[in-house]
Amino acid sequence: EIVMTQSPATLSVSPGERATLSCRASQTVSSNLAWYQQKPGQAPRLLIYGASTRATGIPARFSGSGSGTEFSLTISSLQSEDFAVYYCQQYNDWPLAFGQGTKVEIK
Amino acid sequence: QVQLQESGPGLVKPSETLSLTCTVSGASIRGYYWSWIRQPPGMGLEWIGYIYYSGTTNYNPSLKSRVTISVDTSKNQFSLNLSSVTAADTAVYYCARGPAPVVGATLRRWFDPWGQGTLVTVSS
Repeated sequence: EIVMTQSPATLSVSPGERATLSCRASQTVSSNLAWYQQKPGQAPRLLIYGASTRATGIPARFSGSGSGTEFSLTISSLQSEDFAVYYCQQYNDWPLAFGQGTKVEIK
Repeated sequence: QVQLQESGPGLVKPSETLSLTCTVSGASIRGYYWSWIRQPPGMGLEWIGYIYYSGTTNYNPSLKSRVTISVDTSKNQFSLNLSSVTAADTAVYYCARGPAPVVGATLRRWFDPWGQGTLVTVSS
């Protein structure tokens, strides 16, 4: 079973600044990684798949990179609506697994 | 656009069976895979399992002995049964479309879209 570890648990960022979130897999997942955004009381929303491809309607300020075991999600200039919890998910092997999440909060 | 809506009891007694249904609108349930995912309060996400419209299933080994997912194509619905529940099964339960069938060598096992989720509390 692949274990996904996200860091940091909480990231404090000022609006307009850049945020970089990390996700590490316990074994290689190739580029089979997705990122989701979850706001309080809402379901997760798909942001990125294939490690770096933005889903339909996702703004260009969101970008993903990495392959193998190390991945990152970058938000280039944080907007008020971007403060949320972000999850990575590996889909290279069964069972499908999520990281524990990174909360991006207002500094 | 595709929309999913979970329904079912919000309170289940310990040792009983949790039963939820997901109704899909805006698309046929045929031709896709459909999953259940849960999130305990304040915690992360756990994939429970999926079903294909044909009835093929795949479950997370951590829950496999207690989980049954079924599909009703005539109603465009799929359902989750989780038996012998305990307080540890208290969570928001989401239904979602995915994983998608493999295209060539490309895996497409992400989830999009999701239902709004329903909180199920296990308590006597």
